[in-house]
Amino acid sequence: EAQVTQNPRYLITVTGKKLTVTCSQNMNHEYMSWYRQDPGLGLRQIYYSMNVEVTDKGDVPEGYKVSRKEKRNFPLILESPSPNQTSLYFCASSGPLAGSSYNEQFFGPGTRLTVL
Amino acid sequence: AQSVTQLGSHVSVSEGALVLLRCNYSSSVPPYLFWYVQYPNQGLQLLLKYTSAATLVKGINGFEAEFKKSETSFHLTKPSAHMSDAAEYFCAVSDTDKLIFGTGTRLQVFP
Repeated sequence: EAQVTQNPRYLITVTGKKLTVTCSQNMNHEYMSWYRQDPGLGLRQIYYSMNVEVTDKGDVPEGYKVSRKEKRNFPLILESPSPNQTSLYFCASSGPLAGSSYNEQFFGPGTRLTVL
Repeated sequence: AQSVTQLGSHVSVSEGALVLLRCNYSSSVPPYLFWYVQYPNQGLQLLLKYTSAATLVKGINGFEAEFKKSETSFHLTKPSAHMSDAAEYFCAVSDTDKLIFGTGTRLQVFP
């Protein structure tokens, strides 16, 4: 089954304690990205990756890091989390859909992060 | 740059009434447009998408949306609301691989 997985699904942590949220896709997609969802703001892109070892900032990258050492994995790293990073995070991958002119987006189930 | 505006952060309807959720987009190129639904404590589910084929797009759960280039709109409708439609709905426009989301509309359905 084509899917994007994220772990953990829920995380409560404290300010300054480094954490990593993992993301993995099994569709051999080149493009992967991270979004955060906040009330009244919708979803905003944090970082994206066009391919292995190629990453770039999205709209709200401050306080986050990513890496893309393998095609299937795209972890999100918070080196020193702060309360304003409390949010719902979604990983996504996209790739061509047969017969389509655009790339289909697939979202993970989300990770709800609380930073105390 | 592309952008999406969803008018009304909250919409309330009675069960059986028409659902209309508004979305206007801004794009310098023919857009790809999407509606996603998020049920409480769940992830995003694609309702429907416009990819420059038919302007009237039918999605899951009885929803449909019409692409109107002259009005730069892509409003979501459903003829008769069900209690199970209560959720948050997001309109999005595609900028190559990146999705640009609206701020969301929370739909409440009253019995």
